[in-house]
Amino acid sequence: KNEVEQSPQNLTAQEGEFITINCSYSVGISALHWLQQHPGGGIVSLFMLSSGKKKHGRLIATINIQEKHSSLHITASHPRDSAVYICAVRRSGDGGSQGNLIFGKGTKLSVKP
Amino acid sequence: DGGITQSPKYLFRKEGQNVTLSCEQNLNHDAMYWYRQDPGQGLRLIYYSQIVNDFQKGDIAEGYSVSREKKESFPLTVTSAQKNPTAFYLCASSIGRLAGVSEQYFGPGTRLTVT
Repeated sequence: KNEVEQSPQNLTAQEGEFITINCSYSVGISALHWLQQHPGGGIVSLFMLSSGKKKHGRLIATINIQEKHSSLHITASHPRDSAVYICAVRRSGDGGSQGNLIFGKGTKLSVKP
Repeated sequence: DGGITQSPKYLFRKEGQNVTLSCEQNLNHDAMYWYRQDPGQGLRLIYYSQIVNDFQKGDIAEGYSVSREKKESFPLTVTSAQKNPTAFYLCASSIGRLAGVSEQYFGPGTRLTVT
C-alpha cells in the first residue's frame, strides 16, 4: 500500500464547478505539499502546510492531522486549471536527516469549457 | 529572473551511453534534488545535495551519479548501468537543507529517451 494515496486519479469537470482533490497518508508527517504539474511537465509548488487551512486565489488547501487527510479545493474552475495535482508529505521525526518527500501518484484534472 | 533551468528539454541516447543532464539554479538555494517520474508513479528521489561538495543517495540512486562542485549546479549522469533510463527527470531546489520543510522549486524537466 502506498504511503500517500490520492483520489480521484482522474477528474473531469465543467468550467465553473467546485473541485475537490483528496490526499490521505499513512505516516506521521511534519509538512504536506500540494504541487501542480502542467502538461509540459514543469511543476509549481502551490501550498505547504502543517495544520489548518491556506488560501491562494481560487485555491484552498486544508489538512486534518488527526485524520491524516488533506484536500485541495478549486473554486470557479477554469480550463487553465487543467493539470496534474500532486500531494507530497515529509515524514515527521526525520530530525537532522534529509527527510525525503513521499509523493502521491497525482490527480489528473481536466476542466472543460 | 530567478529560477531553475534544465537542459535539454528532450534528450535521445543509444543504450550503453552515459548521458549528463544539466541543472542550474540562481536562487541561492542550499539544497538541490533530482527526481525521476515514470507514468502512473509518483516522483522518486534519485540524489540530493544539502551543500556544496556533498550529496546523498535517494531511493533509486543505482545507475546514476551526481556532483555538486558549485552551489548553482547539480548535474546528473545517467550511466549505462541504469536498467531503465527512459523517464522524465526533474531537478528541484530549496532554500532550507531539509526536504519538505521549505518550499521546493522545480525545473522544467528533461525527457530522456534511450533506445
